[in-house]
Amino acid sequence: SAVISQKPSRDICQRGTSLTIQCQVDSQVTMMFWYRQQPGQSLTLIATANQGSEATYESGFVIDKFPISRPNLTFSTLTVSNMSPEDSSIYLCSFHDRVKNIQYFGAGTRLSVL
Amino acid sequence: AQSVAQPEDQVNVAEGNPLTVKCTYSVSGNPYLFWYVQYPNRGLQFLLKYITGDNLVKGSYGFEAEFNKSQTSFHLKKPSALVSDSALYFCAVRGMDSNYQLIWGAGTKLIIKP
Repeated sequence: SAVISQKPSRDICQRGTSLTIQCQVDSQVTMMFWYRQQPGQSLTLIATANQGSEATYESGFVIDKFPISRPNLTFSTLTVSNMSPEDSSIYLCSFHDRVKNIQYFGAGTRLSVL
Repeated sequence: AQSVAQPEDQVNVAEGNPLTVKCTYSVSGNPYLFWYVQYPNRGLQFLLKYITGDNLVKGSYGFEAEFNKSQTSFHLKKPSALVSDSALYFCAVRGMDSNYQLIWGAGTKLIIKP
């Protein structure tokens, strides 16, 4: 299966700043997803990112706060803008493998906002 | 509405004993069902899936799950638990018209005691 790498693995940021999380897949994939997860809790989908189109955001998430780029079929970024302590969470990227019908995940980015 | 329920927040099992982590679902049409495992400070790892075919599916690390259509369940099982199986387990479901998005259960913390 394709390998997905995500960086940074963790970061500590100041209130009001922005952080961009990168996700790289070693093969071309159509659909990528961005999630948020509080430690020990379930996943919440932020948005679906397809190459060549605007990301589709779930209820409660907006593009101004979480802009997403998908410049090609192997890469995506999620930016957490104007951060507040409430944005402290684990952010996960994933992609859908159409051949295997499985969603694979990056290792996650653990974000702490002070 | 599509949903997944993991009724147990935590399951405690003695090493060497069989384990079961429960999952029930509600989805329109035929479901695609998945189990993932998350070790501390790690991303989600795919364990197994049910799409069609044999109701008993085998996955990684000796895990298996049984699809029961009448009970709308997909319980995760292992005949003999290992301490290293201690982790957070997630059940997820996808409907046929879901645009590949997964609906996630709340997660079950599995603790295997020596």
